[in-house]
Formats: sequence, C-alpha cells, structure tokens
Amino acid sequence: NAGVTQTPKFRVLKTGQSMTLLCAQDMNHEYMYWYRQDPGMGLRLIHYSVGEGTTAKGEVPDGYNVSRLKKQNFLLGLESAAPSQTSVYFCASTQAYEQYFGPGTRLTVT
Amino acid sequence: TQLLEQSPQFLSIQEGENLTVYCNSSSVFSSLQWYRQEPGEGPVLLVTVVTGGEVKKLKRLTFQFGDARKDSSLHITAAQPGDTGLYLCAAPGAGGTSYGKLTFGQGTILTVHP
Repeated sequence: NAGVTQTPKFRVLKTGQSMTLLCAQDMNHEYMYWYRQDPGMGLRLIHYSVGEGTTAKGEVPDGYNVSRLKKQNFLLGLESAAPSQTSVYFCASTQAYEQYFGPGTRLTVT
Repeated sequence: TQLLEQSPQFLSIQEGENLTVYCNSSSVFSSLQWYRQEPGEGPVLLVTVVTGGEVKKLKRLTFQFGDARKDSSLHITAAQPGDTGLYLCAAPGAGGTSYGKLTFGQGTILTVHP
C-alpha cells in the first residue's frame, strides 16, 4: 500500500501564479484534509472533505480552493499565490480519528 | 475554539537524558493523540489515550492522560538520536460531529545529540 501520496514534493511560484496540489490515498478513507505547517504553529486545517463530492472550510481557508471529484483524490488549488502562502502543505486521510499523512509539499512563493 | 498548548517549544539534550513534553488545555477532551514527525516527512501516530489517568508505554516512551482529561504528557527515558523530531499532540473537535477533525498543538522540536 502506498498510503497517502502528494505531488509535487517541491514547487516555487511567483506571486500571482496559480497551481494545484494533488493528494491521493489508497485506503478507501472517507475523510480527507489539507493542512499547512509553519514554524511554531503546528498544523492548521485549510479545508477538509467528508466524502466524494463534498468540501468544507477549515481554520485558514482564504486563498485556497479544493475539490474531491473522486473518493481517493483531494486537490488543493491556489488561485493567485501570495508570499504568505509559503509553507509546507500536508494532506491526510482517516476513517476514524487516526490520521494518515502524506510526505508534504514544500511551496515557496517569491 | 479549543487550544492545545505544548511546552517546551524546543528541547536540545544529550543522548541518555530523560525528558518530558507537556500538552495542556482548558478544554476537556474525549481522547488525545501524540504524533511524531521526522524531517521531510508527515506526522505519524504514536499513541491515543482515551481514559482520564491512563498511562501507556511504547518502549522508552510513556504517555499519560490527565485525570481531568485536559492535559497530557510524553516522557522519554534515555533519549537516543533516533528520537529527534517534532512531537505533536492532537485532540478531536469538541461537541457534535467533528468528522475526524483534529486540533494540533504547536509542537515540540526535540534534538538529541550523540
């Protein structure tokens, strides 16, 4: 089992550019999440999904959009990247409360 | 919004020393989890504690859930360089249906020097 995978692993964007981060899980989990991790701030929830076709806002949703067209995939989009979105992004999935995390995407916005 | 406060934020120790990391809140939790994150990877669950006063051991790691279920601690005995990493506590959302959502503490960065 691959578990949770994320692509890409690294990305550098210029301010105003857009991009999509892809998360895929092969555990048939209903719930999926996108977090950002910044120094000294732990993990903050951006958006989450409780099933195929559903999405909901988390703690820090501004500037991000998500889609869950297939149960195994959860996409995170940045419409117009800003330097404040420089961070490490983690995707996670769960069926109960233990969350399984991907390896992360390190995004730098210049 | 419930908050989880972890202390200390940074810990740098020598191999063989003992250490304790704390996770505190003013809220009561149904359960609490501890994750470890190694550089360049995502967090991995170490343990879940669910009963007030519960103590769980995982080799040299001892986890305790406070009697009032508002706090928890992680104690490492005879730390080794392989214990180096970021330790995060996390708790499920309070009230209603939380959809598996967790609130995380800000983390404790542990460095164990050989």
